Amino acid sequence: QSALTQSRSVSGSPGQSVTISCTGTSSDVGGYNYVSWYQQHPGKAPKLMIYDVSKRPSGVPDRFSGSKSGNTASLTISGLQAEDEADYYCCSYAGSSPYVFGTGTKVSVL
Amino acid sequence: QVQLVQSGAEVKKPGASVKVSCKVSGHTLAELSMHWVRQAPGKGLEWMGGFDPEDGETIYAQKFQGRVIMTEDTSIDTAYMDLNSLRSEDTAVYYCAVVGPSLGYYYRYGLDVWGQGTTVTVSS
Repeated sequence: QSALTQSRSVSGSPGQSVTISCTGTSSDVGGYNYVSWYQQHPGKAPKLMIYDVSKRPSGVPDRFSGSKSGNTASLTISGLQAEDEADYYCCSYAGSSPYVFGTGTKVSVL
Repeated sequence: QVQLVQSGAEVKKPGASVKVSCKVSGHTLAELSMHWVRQAPGKGLEWMGGFDPEDGETIYAQKFQGRVIMTEDTSIDTAYMDLNSLRSEDTAVYYCAVVGPSLGYYYRYGLDVWGQGTTVTVSS
């Protein structure tokens, strides 16, 4: 199972919105509505930000939203804040491989 | 709430084996689907394997088949990941992770509780 494809980096000014894309295939992203997104700060464990394509776990700000169209999932961060600067990984269920991760996107706050 | 505490950093020589532990507190391990994810320096997350509750068995990523064994001692709520025939490319931070009660334990949703990570360095 190959890693899902994400853009290497994205940046925005405080208050702006940024969108991260995650492209897979019909065997993973396109085949199941089980896409999740993780935020990872340097030296820290990943944190679940979105699950089930668009649902937010308790405690995750509503600035974070997820969506999916075909084989591509997206994470949008609205009202960008300094603490949002981190690496973000998408992840999809893929049948025999329950967790296929994306290549990761570095979000920079200018 | 569910918490995962992993064993300490390890330094191993090529060809050796490493066993990383993950202690569960705040819940019973037997009710959780435990998984292992690793991250090489400067690289992304990579799922290694874990318990598939739908099949009732442990499954492994094809890349690690034959080289990794994941076990659980439910009497002490501790999971283990044993990786053998280590090579330099196995140098990474190894995480244990589960989907907890806040997500209804449904493992397809993702992993919402993570251990702090264990650094394994493979060097001659």
